[in-house]
Amino acid sequence: RKEVEQDPGPFNVPEGATVAFNCTYSNSASQSFFWYRQDCRKEPKLLMSVYSSGNEDGRFTAQLNRASQYISLLIRDSKLSDSATYLCVVNTNSGYSTLTFGKGTMLLVSP
Amino acid sequence: NAGVTQTPKFQVLKTGQSMTLQCAQDMNHEYMSWYRQDPGMGLRLIHYSVGAGITDQGEVPNGYNVSRSTTEDFPLRLLSAAPSQTSVYFCASSSRINEQFFGPGTRLTVL
Repeated sequence: RKEVEQDPGPFNVPEGATVAFNCTYSNSASQSFFWYRQDCRKEPKLLMSVYSSGNEDGRFTAQLNRASQYISLLIRDSKLSDSATYLCVVNTNSGYSTLTFGKGTMLLVSP
Repeated sequence: NAGVTQTPKFQVLKTGQSMTLQCAQDMNHEYMSWYRQDPGMGLRLIHYSVGAGITDQGEVPNGYNVSRSTTEDFPLRLLSAAPSQTSVYFCASSSRINEQFFGPGTRLTVL
């Protein structure tokens, strides 16, 4: 049974706020972790990979906690354009069939 | 560079009809795949291909066929449409499995 769990939200935040999403995964053998972003009625797009040591890309910070089996995405200084659904993606191996997408967390940033 | 293109954007079928969803990429990617996305569910893998002439089943392959005669094209065929196949279909391509580029999607309704 594939298990990648995300809080569906929506998370409603004002512009400039800091918001964090968590994603838990059940398979301790999972090897690769990613965050994708999906705008309303659009295709998903890769936002960032998640590395063991944590990584940052501008206002976005991703972290991995293997012991507790979760990954997180922190968005600082939220912009209206950050409004989207954020998908957690986990690969338990290196193949296609082991790539699992979470259902996504919706973020709404208001003025 | 068009990336990943899909046609049609919208389609309405009657139960029992067949059709082909087209997908093409111009990035010379070896990997291509088809997903479906339903409300409240994560993206689910239908079929995938790791190169021309090679295809394999994903999580939900029943009712769908694929072929990969060229690197660029990966059509998805619905053999006999059913209402349960009403969904949004995304084609994706990648040079590395985890970093996928998605097409804009096809919204299919089966009556």
